[in-house]
Amino acid sequence: DGGITQSPKYLFRKEGQNVTLSCEQNLNHDAMYWYRQDPGQGLRLIYYSQIVNDFQKGDIAEGYSVSREKKESFPLTVTSAQKNPTAFYLCASSLGVLPNTIYFGEGSWLTVV
Amino acid sequence: AQSVAQPEDQVNVAEGNPLTVKCTYSVSGNPYLFWYVQYPNRGLQFLLKYITGDNLVKGSYGFEAEFNKSQTSFHLKKPSALVSDSALYFCAVRDTNAGKSTFGDGTTLTVKP
Repeated sequence: DGGITQSPKYLFRKEGQNVTLSCEQNLNHDAMYWYRQDPGQGLRLIYYSQIVNDFQKGDIAEGYSVSREKKESFPLTVTSAQKNPTAFYLCASSLGVLPNTIYFGEGSWLTVV
Repeated sequence: AQSVAQPEDQVNVAEGNPLTVKCTYSVSGNPYLFWYVQYPNRGLQFLLKYITGDNLVKGSYGFEAEFNKSQTSFHLKKPSALVSDSALYFCAVRDTNAGKSTFGDGTTLTVKP
């Protein structure tokens, strides 16, 4: 089935550790996105990428890093510089930039222990 | 700059009654407007979108939305609510001049039997 796969679903991070969340899509979409969702709140854009080997900062990029080496993959690294990383992380993709629908993965929960 | 507002954090309706979830937006160009639904611990699912044309847009699961340019609104509606419609609903806007979408803070819809 076509779709967006995020892994792991649940991840625990110790203080000072970097962790990487995986996002893979087989929809042949050009654009990919990472959003953060805190409980009871809306979505905030972390990073987005319109083409391979290019990406832009979103509204809350500090403490995060990404790469886009392949069209189908857009991993997100939560670094130790992110002081409050506990949240629900959503990866998404769209066929192009305008005006196409954004499709979402099932999300990953990150908890700092 | 673009923005979107969902003025109600919570909407409660009885099963079988019509429902409305409100959304207003602000853009500098022409808007692309979207509605998504999120069930607990899941990603967002696309419901419908307005790009151009007919102001009344029909989408998945019996939902529809009406684009009103003069009131800058895009309210989500359903003639007869189901208990299974209970979820978190997000409105999103994309300006034709913008590189990314902006999501509202979400409205929790509760349909009681």
